Amino acid sequence: GQQVMQIPQYQHVQEGEDFTTYCNSSTTLSNIQWYKQRPGGHPVFLIQLVKSGEVKKQKRLTFQFGEAKKNSSLHITATQTTDVGTYFCAVRGSGSARQLTFGSGTQLTVLP
Amino acid sequence: KAGVTQTPRYLIKTRGQQVTLSCSPISGHRSVSWYQQTPGQGLQFLFEYFSETQRNKGNFPGRFSGRQFSNSRSEMNVSTLELGDSALYLCASSRRTGREETQYFGPGTRLLVL
Repeated sequence: GQQVMQIPQYQHVQEGEDFTTYCNSSTTLSNIQWYKQRPGGHPVFLIQLVKSGEVKKQKRLTFQFGEAKKNSSLHITATQTTDVGTYFCAVRGSGSARQLTFGSGTQLTVLP
Repeated sequence: KAGVTQTPRYLIKTRGQQVTLSCSPISGHRSVSWYQQTPGQGLQFLFEYFSETQRNKGNFPGRFSGRQFSNSRSEMNVSTLELGDSALYLCASSRRTGREETQYFGPGTRLLVL
């Protein structure tokens, strides 16, 4: 499957601060998905990006897909304690390797 | 619509034993994938089943196996358990709609091998 690097591994922010996590690939991606996993929970699908340069917003969350389709970011504006969790990017391969490969995740802690 | 369900939720086994985990996908979803999640290795793909056929397989030893039934329910089996098999095992079901294929995860089975 395709490989994707995700940074940072951990991020501590004060409530109200912004947060960004990045996913990078050495190869062109056909699509990228983002998931959130709350502590003790399971991954929950947030969004899928497929187009070069695509930007999608969900309330305080902004997702971007790079022009070259080799990187993506998730930005949270004015974090809240409910944003706590681990954010994963995931890419789906093609052909015989269509499984979803997850990045290592960014664990976000929001300090009240 | 009911979500993905997994049983059991927690399991304690000893080395050398074998274990079977069960997953019931969302109604209408024919694809079921299994993942192993550990603090050190993150989320790792085990295998995917579609219409009772294994479609993809990750890099796990042959001790890890699975199957899917005609009603799309899936089971995974781990034989000769090792301490390193302690993990959260997640099942996800999906249905493809155009270019989108979203995975819906179950709550997982937390396996502890002693």
